[in-house]
Amino acid sequence: QVTLRESGPALVKPTQTLTLTCTFSGFSLSTDGMCVSWIRQPPGKALEWLGRIDWHDDKYYSTSLKTRLTISKDTSKNQVVLIMTNMDPVDTATYYCARNGRYSSDYFDYWGQGTLVTVSS
Amino acid sequence: QSVLTQPPSVSAAPGQKVTIFCSGSSSNIENNDVSWYQQLPGTAPKLLIYDNHKRPSGIPDRFSGSKSGTSATLGITGLQTGDEADYYCGTWDSSLSAVFGGGTKLTVL
Repeated sequence: QVTLRESGPALVKPTQTLTLTCTFSGFSLSTDGMCVSWIRQPPGKALEWLGRIDWHDDKYYSTSLKTRLTISKDTSKNQVVLIMTNMDPVDTATYYCARNGRYSSDYFDYWGQGTLVTVSS
Repeated sequence: QSVLTQPPSVSAAPGQKVTIFCSGSSSNIENNDVSWYQQLPGTAPKLLIYDNHKRPSGIPDRFSGSKSGTSATLGITGLQTGDEADYYCGTWDSSLSAVFGGGTKLTVL
């Protein structure tokens, strides 16, 4: 059974750095073809892909956010970490981690429940 | 502004069929597979269709997908009130990013 769960602060101040952790089970990021992505959704708005880390540690980032994002993994802990710098109120959103289909860039077959992050002073 | 274009809303009566369109370009849909997600109110998105037309285990065959050129389509037959949700299309883009549509709100009248 595949599960993912996001954890991190619910509230951050403008200019601060956000660190979110995705803890997963039911698969391993050391298995060929496995990838985990981060996706966010501002309240009432559409999904926005942030980035992805692959089993061989390749990383891909949203073009518009790449200067602010870092994604890393700890295979031994079954965790993926998202770091976003210089947070702004427009970054207020529910942040999801999701597993990509194996060897696929095109779809996400399992999602975490999401964690709402509010950026406010 | 989303890279893929979807109608903001669609509606139909229970038991009827509805079609949701997703428009992209040669940079994304035309050269990559399309997926569709259902997001019920207050919940995380759920995969409905992948690789343009495939259904994950547990997704009823009332849901179907297709792709032609730079567009894709999600079809839902035998509409139920429980199908009321937001639906999103997604794919990979030549910018080396995953992209989504703006979402379509389905109302079952």
